[in-house]
Amino acid sequence: EVQLLQSGGGLVQPGGSLRLSCAASGFTFNRYAMSWVRQAPGKGLEWVSTVSPRGTTTYYADSVKGRFTISRDNSKNTVYLQMNSLRAEDTAVYYCAKNSGYYPDVFDVWGQGTMVTVSS
Amino acid sequence: DIQMTQSPSSLSASVGDRVTITCQASQDISNYLNWYQQKPGKAPKLLIYDASNLETGVPSRFSGSGSGTDFSFTISSLQPEDIATYYCQQYDNLPRTFGQGTKMEIK
Repeated sequence: EVQLLQSGGGLVQPGGSLRLSCAASGFTFNRYAMSWVRQAPGKGLEWVSTVSPRGTTTYYADSVKGRFTISRDNSKNTVYLQMNSLRAEDTAVYYCAKNSGYYPDVFDVWGQGTMVTVSS
Repeated sequence: DIQMTQSPSSLSASVGDRVTITCQASQDISNYLNWYQQKPGKAPKLLIYDASNLETGVPSRFSGSGSGTDFSFTISSLQPEDIATYYCQQYDNLPRTFGQGTKMEIK
């Protein structure tokens, strides 16, 4: 069974940092791009970032560029999102998602989501 | 950025009804359009990819069509378990963008 299990998240003060993790199983991890998508409370979905299968290419939304870093460890079948300089507007449920190919195209499998709250 | 505009934002229908949601892109995106279902408190689930292809395991009452800028998503016979919010998403350009969602309710 294809599965994405997320960890990390929680309450952090503005300007703080947090790292999210997403452990994959049930598929050949190093063949697919992986992404993060977030959803602010009561709002719609917002694509955040994507990393290519080998981790050599990354893509970011302008809203997080320069503050967030996506990475992956193919030996551990895990993708990460390092979030720095967090702002109140980063408060959201963060989902990791498997892409169907090399690029951030179709998000075909999703993690369970993890809440990030940025507040003093 | 490509803007994705869904209509309506909410929809109330009876069990067994045929319901249709539309999604308009602010520019031509060919068929690079996906549809997701999100039930309350749950992660989104892929239903349709490339505008009209049904994801494996998804019931055949769900369908999608369109190309260019105008797309539609249809449930041929609404079921109680279809209560959810539905989102379209384009992948023609970065950043990937989603529609604002259509909340489906049962009358």
